Amino acid sequence: GAGVSQSPSNKVTEKGKDVELRCDPISGHTALYWYRQSLGQGLEFLIYFQGNSAPDKSGLPSDRFSAERTGGSVSTLTIQRTQQEDSAVYLCASSPTRGTGDNSPLHFGNGTRLTVT
Amino acid sequence: GNSVTQMEGPVTLSEEAFLTINCTYTATGYPSLFWYVQYPGEGLQLLLKATKADDKGSNKGFEATYRKETTSFHLEKGSVQVSDSAVYFCALTLNYGGSQGNLIFGKGTKLSVKP
Repeated sequence: GAGVSQSPSNKVTEKGKDVELRCDPISGHTALYWYRQSLGQGLEFLIYFQGNSAPDKSGLPSDRFSAERTGGSVSTLTIQRTQQEDSAVYLCASSPTRGTGDNSPLHFGNGTRLTVT
Repeated sequence: GNSVTQMEGPVTLSEEAFLTINCTYTATGYPSLFWYVQYPGEGLQLLLKATKADDKGSNKGFEATYRKETTSFHLEKGSVQVSDSAVYFCALTLNYGGSQGNLIFGKGTKLSVKP
């Protein structure tokens, strides 16, 4: 079946502009995660949505970052007033349940490569 | 805090060589441990996992044993193939009440296998 879909696959933007990144999770998956992968760094957790619960925003690096998930499905990550240090690959993942236990590994999309010039 | 440390790459091996990628962790509580793999041009995918001490995860010829005494989860394969060339990420998640399944990742180790 279809996996996690992210768009755009690449985005180049000028410093100071706002960007929106989109994630379509696997149908029926209740948990959705955003991670950031910077060059030479590991994957940095950003935000987590689980069903109708309040999202865990503890990983968002600044108030320029926000995310929403409409109808429990599609999610949009918004970065306002982009800075060069925001350049990274932004990865979305979904899972059928809230945890990463035996039956619910994370399924990752191919990511959006953001370049801020 | 909770963290994962894995050996820095890149690692370059010849086909059929033995592979070890070291991973150690620091965690409060009782973590589950994972190896994820990212093949060129593809998204991350789960390679193997272990949810408690002394468990061994295995898949596609890769193995890793959860060692609580050394807080390690080293990835091994006896004979690598060119198709194993990828970036490998060690990760953990915590397994106590309130855990929301956030994966904490290492920085990744790039493996290149030459024919």
